[in-house]
Amino acid sequence: GAVVSQHPSRVICKSGTSVKIECRSLDFQATTMFWYRQFPKQSLMLMATSNEGSKATYEQGVEKDKFLINHASLTLSTLTVTSAHPEDSSFYICSAPRRDRGSRGYTFGSGTRLTVV
Amino acid sequence: SQKIEQNSEALNIQEGKTATLTCNYTNYSPAYLQWYRQDPGRGPVFLLLIRENEKEKRKERLKVTFDTTLKQSLFHITASQPADSATYLCALGVTNNDMRFGAGTRLTVKP
Repeated sequence: GAVVSQHPSRVICKSGTSVKIECRSLDFQATTMFWYRQFPKQSLMLMATSNEGSKATYEQGVEKDKFLINHASLTLSTLTVTSAHPEDSSFYICSAPRRDRGSRGYTFGSGTRLTVV
Repeated sequence: SQKIEQNSEALNIQEGKTATLTCNYTNYSPAYLQWYRQDPGRGPVFLLLIRENEKEKRKERLKVTFDTTLKQSLFHITASQPADSATYLCALGVTNNDMRFGAGTRLTVKP
């Protein structure tokens, strides 16, 4: 149980275009979704927290107008990288808290490798 | 400043030995701590959670300890196998939903 499906797994886009990444919770309701980015050999860096039906909370230094987050339903959260630049190239991962069997682990999506050329 | 440090970027061990990974933290008071496994190009997979009032937790060949005085967690894999090769991340539970991750230790188990 507790699966988060993330798409696309890889995307290459041109500089200046926008890319949308989707995360769906398949067998549970995710009222909260966390969005991370990860550079090679570095830690997961929390970008923002999305809550269903309300505005996302962004971490310090993350531009909310550049990384648009929508959490319109209990099973879908999206991250749109707007006007992408090469420095936005990274691995983006979503995760949702899981509550099955009393666990407090997070369920992660499989990640999206974004390359901006 | 707040830090989460995993002792080494990479750890190489022989198959059958016990792998021990360290997670140290500074200026945090986590209510719980988690360990995840991450394979290249994939999202992390939850392994174990240990609460601040627990000293040790086991799951099959995995064992986690949590010392809030030393501000340290140890993650052990006994009878290691090549399939255990991956990056292992520790994550501190700062609040009910707020997790902060270490940079990970890349474990390689050689046959």
